[in-house]
Amino acid sequence: EAQVTQNPRYLITVTGKKLTVTCSQNMNHEYMSWYRQDPGLGLRQIYYSMNVEVTDKGDVPEGYKVSRKEKRNFPLILESPSPNQTSLYFCASSFERNNSPLHFGNGTRLTVT
Amino acid sequence: AQTVTQSQPEMSVQEAETVTLSCTYDTSESDYYLFWYKQPPSRQMILVIRQEAYKQQNATENRFSVNFQKAAKSFSLKISDSQLGDAAMYFCAYSRLQETSGSRLTFGEGTQLTVNP
Repeated sequence: EAQVTQNPRYLITVTGKKLTVTCSQNMNHEYMSWYRQDPGLGLRQIYYSMNVEVTDKGDVPEGYKVSRKEKRNFPLILESPSPNQTSLYFCASSFERNNSPLHFGNGTRLTVT
Repeated sequence: AQTVTQSQPEMSVQEAETVTLSCTYDTSESDYYLFWYKQPPSRQMILVIRQEAYKQQNATENRFSVNFQKAAKSFSLKISDSQLGDAAMYFCAYSRLQETSGSRLTFGEGTQLTVNP
């Protein structure tokens, strides 16, 4: 089944403790991205990647890192999480061309205390 | 920068009735895509409908249709014969028409739709 898989689905952590949210897709998509969803703000893009070893900042990149060492994986890294990073996170992927629909993962609910 | 605005944080509709969700956007581009996504309590993001700005005809998918007013930069979603399963958060989104950049979306704030039996 074609899908974008995020793990974990829920995560509670403490301020400053490094964490990684994994994202993997099995559709051979070149393009992958991370969004965060907050009430009243909709979804905002954090980082995106056009292909292996090519990443760029989205609209709200502060406090986040990403890597794209393999085409299928695009982990989101929080080196020192803070409470303002408590949010719902989505990974998404698509082919790198116009009119290619975006496929979303099922989201990761992160709470930083 | 492009912006998308949904001015209705919450809407409600009676089952079998029709409801319209509003969306406005701001862009200097002439060609772009517009989307409506549905997010049920499961949190899954489901594409409801998509409109290409260069197409005059309004997109339609079964009970879902849009009213695309390019000059007014308005993109409303009409849900006909509302069903209980339509209850969800609805997001309007915009994407530039770019040659090689996948689908980078700018989202609105969302409208929470309640369907009353």
